[in-house]
Amino acid sequence: EAGVAQSPRYKIIEKRQSVAFWCNPISGHATLYWYQQILGQGPKLLIQFQNNGVVDDSQLPKDRFSAERLKGVDSTLKIQPAKLEDSAVYLCASSLVRTVSYEQYFGPGTRLTVT
Amino acid sequence: QKEVEQDPGPLSVPEGAIVSLNCTYSNSAFQYFMWYRQYSRKGPELLMYTYSSGNKEDGRFTAQVDKSSKYISLFIRDSQPSDSATYLCATMDTGRRALTFGSGTRLQVQP
Repeated sequence: EAGVAQSPRYKIIEKRQSVAFWCNPISGHATLYWYQQILGQGPKLLIQFQNNGVVDDSQLPKDRFSAERLKGVDSTLKIQPAKLEDSAVYLCASSLVRTVSYEQYFGPGTRLTVT
Repeated sequence: QKEVEQDPGPLSVPEGAIVSLNCTYSNSAFQYFMWYRQYSRKGPELLMYTYSSGNKEDGRFTAQVDKSSKYISLFIRDSQPSDSATYLCATMDTGRRALTFGSGTRLQVQP
């Protein structure tokens, strides 16, 4: 079974620029999550999708972050404009159904550096 | 106060030692308790989960939850160099169904 795919793996941008990350979850997984992991901290949930609908985006900084999941499969997370404090690893995860969402499968992450 | 507190370590032990990793949490609504392992430059992977209080054993790993004291533990017996990683405790309430992670404890097992 293929795992969660993410791209790019690394990205360096200057502050005020925009950036986009892509995620392809495990086939058949209905629930998709985006997390932000700052160095030395645990992952923090940004947004949760159930199929192509948003279930929880309470911790997403909506003035600069946006995410979409078209057709209930792939997802993109965008930051515009980026700030220095956005430097982090952005992890995508998926789970089969929301009722067993403690079992999440994570991708390798995209390491973002904002200079 | 963070919802889930975890000692960041690092924790360094010799091969074969018993390792104890711990977390505390503050939200009584949490019902699921997980341990994820994260190798360097990789995403976290689920190691064990427990529903409510009690113990759960899986090979060399034992997870314990004490809801009365809001305390979560992971024990690793006969630790191996391949166990060297960051261990993240996580909790989830049945309503929101979102994971809340601790900051992670970095473990180094010396051969």
